[in-house]
Amino acid sequence: DAGITQSPRHKVTETGTPVTLRCHQTENHRYMYWYRQDPGHGLRLIHYSYGVKDTDKGEVSDGYSVSRSKTEDFLLTLESATSSQTSVYFCAISTGTGELFFGEGSRLTVL
Amino acid sequence: KNEVEQSPQNLTAQEGEFITINCSYSVGISALHWLQQHPGGGIVSLFMLSSGKKKHGRLIATINIQEKHSSLHITASHPRDSAVYICAVNTGNQFYFGTGTSLTVIP
Repeated sequence: DAGITQSPRHKVTETGTPVTLRCHQTENHRYMYWYRQDPGHGLRLIHYSYGVKDTDKGEVSDGYSVSRSKTEDFLLTLESATSSQTSVYFCAISTGTGELFFGEGSRLTVL
Repeated sequence: KNEVEQSPQNLTAQEGEFITINCSYSVGISALHWLQQHPGGGIVSLFMLSSGKKKHGRLIATINIQEKHSSLHITASHPRDSAVYICAVNTGNQFYFGTGTSLTVIP
C-alpha cells in the first residue's frame, strides 16, 4: 500500500457537466498515472505525470485534462462529460524501484 | 496491436486444481507485474519480476526474458482465488496491460 486515495469513489453526472477526480498519495512518489478500465479493453492510460507540473498524454487522452500542482495530488478533469466516459478510473503510482500501486478506483456514470 | 497478450481469457477450475495463466509481450521491458483484481474491487500487485521465479504462498510467477513470456501458477486453488489476474509490463515508467484472465474456482 502506497497511501493512495481516490475521490470521489462513485459519481453519477449528466452529459456536458465537468467532473474532476482526485488522486492523493502520502509518500511523494514522482510518477502518477490515470487509467480507465472498461470491459474488453483492460487498463488504458489517459495521462501520466513525472513530477509537479510535468504531465503527458496517454493513449486515450481526448476529452481529459490533468493537473499536478503538488507532488501528492494528481487531478483528472473531464471538461464536458460524455456517455463514452462512463468507466472505472484508477489512479496508480510507480515507486523508484518500479513497483506499481493502485488506488481503489472511481466509478463514473455519465447519463 | 496489443503489447501484452494473456491466455486464457476465462478459466474455471475445481478447488484444489493447479492453475496456469500465461502472458506474452512484444516490447522490451524492465519488469513484469502480475496483478489481482477481485470482482468490484481494487487492483493489487502480486509480483514484480525481471528474471527467474518468485513464490508467495501458493502463487508462483516465472519469466523467460528471451522468449518474452511469463506464467502465473496457483497451486491447490481455492474459491478465494477467484479474481481477474492481469499481466503488466514496465517499459521504463510506462506500463502496458493485458486484458486479464478471469478465474473462477468452484468448491
